[in-house]
Amino acid sequence: AQTVTQSQPEMSVQEAETVTLSCTYDTSENNYYLFWYKQPPSRQMILVIRQEAYKQQNATENRFSVNFQKAAKSFSLKISDSQLGDTAMYFCAFHQGGSEKLVFGKGMKLTVNP
Amino acid sequence: NAGVTQTPKFRVLKTGQSMTLLCAQDMNHEYMYWYRQDPGMGLRLIHYSVGEGTTAKGEVPDGYNVSRLKKQNFLLGLESAAPSQTSVYFCASSYFTEAFFGQGTRLTVV
Repeated sequence: AQTVTQSQPEMSVQEAETVTLSCTYDTSENNYYLFWYKQPPSRQMILVIRQEAYKQQNATENRFSVNFQKAAKSFSLKISDSQLGDTAMYFCAFHQGGSEKLVFGKGMKLTVNP
Repeated sequence: NAGVTQTPKFRVLKTGQSMTLLCAQDMNHEYMYWYRQDPGMGLRLIHYSVGEGTTAKGEVPDGYNVSRLKKQNFLLGLESAAPSQTSVYFCASSYFTEAFFGQGTRLTVV
């Protein structure tokens, strides 16, 4: 079974600072995708960034980047120049090729303070 | 640009009542998912489907049933609601690169 672990339930950071959110996962397969989703108070789930397991290069989307360590099964999200609008729940997710299961971690509440 | 639409958005049920949540997507996605979100528990997968006519169990399937008779629709049923099923329910559809979510259904069972 695939599992996704987010060990930090809550973090806070000052505006303009950099913060890293951690995620580990467990799988015996090689074909999968990893995602970070953001859920602001509106409850809408928003894709932040994705990483294909077969790609060695870490994904980057503007202020968001990942550190994908396949051997360690680690997938952390770095948010640079934090903004007030980054305040949200962040979920790490794993999509298994083959079974097509999409499994989420428990989430982490990030608060960006002015 | 409807994307993924869930109905209803809110519902209060009495213990033992039944109901069906409807998820509709207009993106021609093969994969569809039902999750429940509870405080501190994240999104837990209830059931999912990899195509029309197929369904599979997720992490917490007990007390729920699903059907995918048409590719664009994925129905979640509660045959006999229990207070433990009070939650926010999310539907999603995807094809590998991104999952699209509905707005959620807040269900309260009293």
